Amino acid sequence: GAVVSQHPSRVICKSGTSVKIECRSLDFQATTMFWYRQFPKKSLMLMATSNEGSKATYEQGVEKDKFLINHASLTLSTLTVTSAHPEDSSFYICSARAGSTNEKLFFGSGTQLSVL
Amino acid sequence: AQKVTQAQTEISVVEKEDVTLDCVYETRDTTYYLFWYKQPPSGELVFLIRRNSFDEQNEISGRYSWNFQKSTSSFNFTITASQVVDSAVYFCALSEANTNAGKSTFGDGTTLTVKP
Repeated sequence: GAVVSQHPSRVICKSGTSVKIECRSLDFQATTMFWYRQFPKKSLMLMATSNEGSKATYEQGVEKDKFLINHASLTLSTLTVTSAHPEDSSFYICSARAGSTNEKLFFGSGTQLSVL
Repeated sequence: AQKVTQAQTEISVVEKEDVTLDCVYETRDTTYYLFWYKQPPSGELVFLIRRNSFDEQNEISGRYSWNFQKSTSSFNFTITASQVVDSAVYFCALSEANTNAGKSTFGDGTTLTVKP
């Protein structure tokens, strides 16, 4: 079945540094990928929709200059948390769709970001 | 506005017991899709089922079964003869027709613990 690979699985960084998270679709092309943030014991919050070859679409309240998204190819989207602060510490998950609009999503295994 | 409510925050059962996870949704659309996902401790969400609003047939897949009732806006999930490997967080999600599944509204999840 379709697989989405997300790296790194865990990252610890100092406040003020930038962190890049990669999301790859391994055996299918994904023109659209999604980035979510999940707080402990909470649901997934959609941050942005990553579109191959064009700008990402951000959800209300998400700072686009803070969370930079690049979808340079049909199999790779990256999320860069710029100038990270402790409040950015969270579990970040990506997903990709392998078919039409409402087909099932395939999720990455998530990245636990801890900002000291 | 869409809303998904999973009233059960945590459920604990003993292996081989049957368990039902509740999901109640709100939407103004007549056409929509409902999903269930499983998030094991590893973090990756795994797709379990997708159901469109015009298909009210209940579905069974091995030990899993789903009961969709539009009259009560519910899409409940039952695990029969639960096993320890079923321990995970389960999310119910709703997306409108013509809306990307990635923009689904997720419930807060139900943490299921199956004890040996």
